[in-house]
Amino acid sequence: DAKTTQPNSMESNEEEPVHLPCNHSTISGTDYIHWYRQLPSQGPEYVIHGLTSNVNNRMASLAIAEDRKSSTLILHRATLRDAAVYYCILRDAVLGAGNMLTFGGGTRLMVKP
Amino acid sequence: SAVISQKPSRDICQRGTSLTIQCQVDSQVTMMFWYRQQPGQSLTLIATANQGSEATYESGFVIDKFPISRPNLTFSTLTVSNMSPEDSSIYLCSVEEGNGSYNEQFFGPGTRLTVL
Repeated sequence: DAKTTQPNSMESNEEEPVHLPCNHSTISGTDYIHWYRQLPSQGPEYVIHGLTSNVNNRMASLAIAEDRKSSTLILHRATLRDAAVYYCILRDAVLGAGNMLTFGGGTRLMVKP
Repeated sequence: SAVISQKPSRDICQRGTSLTIQCQVDSQVTMMFWYRQQPGQSLTLIATANQGSEATYESGFVIDKFPISRPNLTFSTLTVSNMSPEDSSIYLCSVEEGNGSYNEQFFGPGTRLTVL
């Protein structure tokens, strides 16, 4: 799987939007972009995923660049409970079931009240 | 979505001993994964466990050190053998569950291991 690059940490104020960037310049045509987050003392949890088009769900939005070499996870209104490490992960859809996630360093998001 | 429990949630062990970590899933799953998260680090895959076959280990991990059992579709164990302080980590169990168009990974809460 291609590699991703994320800032080590970011800070946000509560109730403000947060844009978490991810660079993946070597992404292949069959790589999906996944975001997981790990809250303190918990296992990672799924946030969102996409292939080419922007995606929205109840947790967040995913904006994917036209050339797919970067993406941005958007939290529309950060809360204190959103403080976590956010992982941007590429996974090849072609490999199908059993193609486990490979974690990079992630971005530690700190939310200030 | 799959719900995963792990036992024990944490343990403090002596050097040279072994610890077996249990992972229970509330649904039948084909693939189960074991990850290690060293202090302040990201997750590293240890092995993939399919029911009825030997686990597949990632580079740097061997069966003698991390034997895995997968007796049925809802349960797996990971043993950390002959422990040293370098084995102090969080060990996480994970499963993959999907609806045909997308396979999501679910993670257990982890087992925090401290080796003295």
